[in-house]
Amino acid sequence: GAVVSQHPSWVICKSGTSVKIECRSLDFQATTMFWYRQFPKQSLMLMATSNEGSKATYEQGVEKDKFLINHASLTLSTLTVTSAHPEDSSFYICSNPGGDYNEQFFGPGTRLTVL
Amino acid sequence: GQNIDQPTEMTATEGAIVQINCTYQTSGFNGLFWYQQHAGEAPTFLSYNVLDGLEEKGRFSSFLSRSKGYSYLLLKELQMKDSASYLCAVVDSNYQLIWGAGTKLIIKP
Repeated sequence: GAVVSQHPSWVICKSGTSVKIECRSLDFQATTMFWYRQFPKQSLMLMATSNEGSKATYEQGVEKDKFLINHASLTLSTLTVTSAHPEDSSFYICSNPGGDYNEQFFGPGTRLTVL
Repeated sequence: GQNIDQPTEMTATEGAIVQINCTYQTSGFNGLFWYQQHAGEAPTFLSYNVLDGLEEKGRFSSFLSRSKGYSYLLLKELQMKDSASYLCAVVDSNYQLIWGAGTKLIIKP
């Protein structure tokens, strides 16, 4: 299956700063990548769909000006959490579809803690 | 609205069999996935069902009944490493993935 990497794996930042998370498809050209957020003991929540070469599609209730997504190449999508606040602390995971069943291949996730 | 129901938590004994149920009400159906997620890690793909019946893959099997809006994941010969959350996800008519909240499975020796 496709291999997806994420960087950083964890980050701690001060409130008000911006954090960039990178998601790379290592062996697969990904025209589409998905960004999820997961709070403790809760399921995945789709934030946005990242499309190579065009604007991302955001889910209802997700602020596009706060969560900036850039998908400039077929192997890299980035999520920038701008002016992060403690309530943005969460586990952020990217994925891209592929395989025999169009299943999701997830990156290892990024644990964000905002102080 | 769209809804997927799974038990929040289940406990089973090492070596035993456990069945994790998932019921769904979605706008259309284009398949159902099961994923395993260990604590602090990303989910990994386990199975996919789009037709009624049982799909077996080693110790894990997944069953689907589209008329009942029901699926289950069956885990046999449980091992301690099977302790994880199991997520049910349905592909709706718009090919959007609808995720269940997951079932936390606790394996006891």
